[in-house]
Amino acid sequence: DVKVTQSSRYLVKRTGEKVFLECVQDMDHENMFWYRQDPGLGLRLIYFSYDVKMKEKGDIPEGYSVSREKKERFSLILESASTNQTSMYLCASSPDDRGNSPLHFGNGTRLTVT
Amino acid sequence: GDSVTQMEGPVTLSEEAFLTINCTYTATGYPSLFWYVQYPGEGLQLLLKATKADDKGSNKGFEATYRKETTSFHLEKGSVQVSDSAVYFCALKSPRGSARQLTFGSGTQLTVLP
Repeated sequence: DVKVTQSSRYLVKRTGEKVFLECVQDMDHENMFWYRQDPGLGLRLIYFSYDVKMKEKGDIPEGYSVSREKKERFSLILESASTNQTSMYLCASSPDDRGNSPLHFGNGTRLTVT
Repeated sequence: GDSVTQMEGPVTLSEEAFLTINCTYTATGYPSLFWYVQYPGEGLQLLLKATKADDKGSNKGFEATYRKETTSFHLEKGSVQVSDSAVYFCALKSPRGSARQLTFGSGTQLTVLP
């Protein structure tokens, strides 16, 4: 089975801190994603990466950046955390950019910014 | 642009009741349609999918039929169990798009009581 591992289940950070959310997948997938999940809003795509060092902005990239130095690892960075970034963050991966391969999700990181 | 509209929750049912969660979509052409499920404390996982009109996706007793004429993909199960308590997300993928162009609905919380 594909395993997508997010390094933290819960994080509490202070406003203005730099925050790193880490995600690792073990199936050599090309594509990796960061979503944000908020009640009533579903999942919104923050950033997407289709190869090492390659990234594209999603629907809500403001206030976030990403890093993909190795194929298996995709990091989400909050340069200066703000209270409106309190949310559940979900990482996902998929094997290719064609067809209908499903996304494989991690268990999520619940971030609270105080 | 593409959009997915799900019935608002939460939905509460007794065990063995019939379940319907409505999902309608707006998209150009013939998108692929998906249902994802998120069990408590976990990430999303693919429940079922359909890639063309009149296709029926099924898994774990759940079914959904791709209805092009009504632009719908309603999720049904004949007899729900307590273990089906979860959040259900309808999603579509544009036929023109890459994996990043997966649009999610807002999610429907289902609680099944014994």
